[in-house]
Order: sequence, then C-alpha cells, then structure tokens
Amino acid sequence: DIQMTQSPSFLSASVGDRVTITCRASQSISSDLNWYQQKPGKAPDLLIYAASSLQSGVPSRFRGSGAGTDFTLSISNLQPEDFGSYYCQQSYSVPLTFGGGTKVDIK
Amino acid sequence: EVQLLESGGGSGQPGGSLRLSCAASGFSFSSYAMSWVRQAPGKGLEWVSTITGSLGTTYYADSVKGRFTISRDNAKNTLYLQMNSLRGEDTAVYYCAKDQWTGASNFNFASWGQGTLVAVSS
Repeated sequence: DIQMTQSPSFLSASVGDRVTITCRASQSISSDLNWYQQKPGKAPDLLIYAASSLQSGVPSRFRGSGAGTDFTLSISNLQPEDFGSYYCQQSYSVPLTFGGGTKVDIK
Repeated sequence: EVQLLESGGGSGQPGGSLRLSCAASGFSFSSYAMSWVRQAPGKGLEWVSTITGSLGTTYYADSVKGRFTISRDNAKNTLYLQMNSLRGEDTAVYYCAKDQWTGASNFNFASWGQGTLVAVSS
C-alpha cells in the first residue's frame, strides 16, 4: 500500500499569509495526487487534482505542485474562509490512501 | 446540479449488519464510478470501496474486504454499501462520492454527499 505523509499536522496563520502544506508518498505516484478541503461538520471538497490542476470554482490563490513522491499545496493571501482541514489523496493505485490531514487555523 | 443523499446509517451491534444507500441526481449516474469514503470521529479520511459505472468492477480496502459489499442500481440511480460483520472500528461518518469524469474510474472524488453516521456498539 502507498503511504501518504502530510506535514504539518496543524498550522496557524494570519489573513494575508502564504501557507504551504506538504505531502509525501512512500513510492512514486506520478502526478496522481489530489487535495481536498474539509470544513468542520461538512463533506470534503476537491480543490486540486492531478497534482496541479485547479478544480472548477476554486480560487486561484490555491496552487498545487509536485510529481513523483513530493507534493505541495500552497495558499497565498490566506482568507478567513480558508480555515479547515486539508487532505492529500493518491489516485495512482488501489488501495486509495489519504494523508493524515493538516488543520489550518486562522489567527 | 449534482446531488448525493446518503441514508441508512444508525446504530449497529458488533457482528451485525447495516445497508447504506446513496441516492444520486443531476448527472448521468451510470456513466460514473462511485465510491464510499469514511471518517471516524475526530479522525482523517479513509477510502472504503469503489464501483465502476457500466461494468460494475469493484474495489475494496483491506479493512472491509469480505465484510462489505458495494453495489449499484443504475435504473434507480442509487449506490449501496452492505455492511456485514460490523466492528467497533467501523464507527464513522460514511460519505458517498462521485468520480470526476466518466469512463474508467479516475479515483478523483469530485462530488460528495453530506454523510451518514454509523455507530457500532454493544
């Protein structure tokens, strides 16, 4: 099974900051990496697919990058509505696996 | 507009059974692979199972293989998850999710239902 390791598990940042979340796969997954945002009590939303493609309707301040084993989700100009948890997920092979999540708190 | 509405959650006993349903609307249901993803209280996301659109090929996480069965009724636009031999560790919110594109499963979960809670306890 492919293990997905996310870091940090928690971060606190101010409005306007740029934040970066990393996700590392235990083996190469090409660009088969998705990012989701989840607000408390809600279902996740797809933000980024295929490592760097922005899902329709997602603000351009979200950016994904990486390939192989190392991936990054960046949020520039952090907004109050960006609080929540973020998860990476590999779609390369079954069993599909998620990272442990990163909780983003707005200072 | 894509809508996914789960039902069937509730309390179950260890060793017991539950069947979850997910009613879909707003898209050509039979053309998309569908999945179940769960989230234990206060924990992260865990993929459970996927079924492709037309051929109905199924995939399972090891943690549920042999106990859970995913199925679909394309005439009723409904996805199911039959959960047998329930364990305490199956306690979670169960989400149904729709693939991003038609055809073979791409395993990108583009739309999600609101979730249904399954609580397994004696």
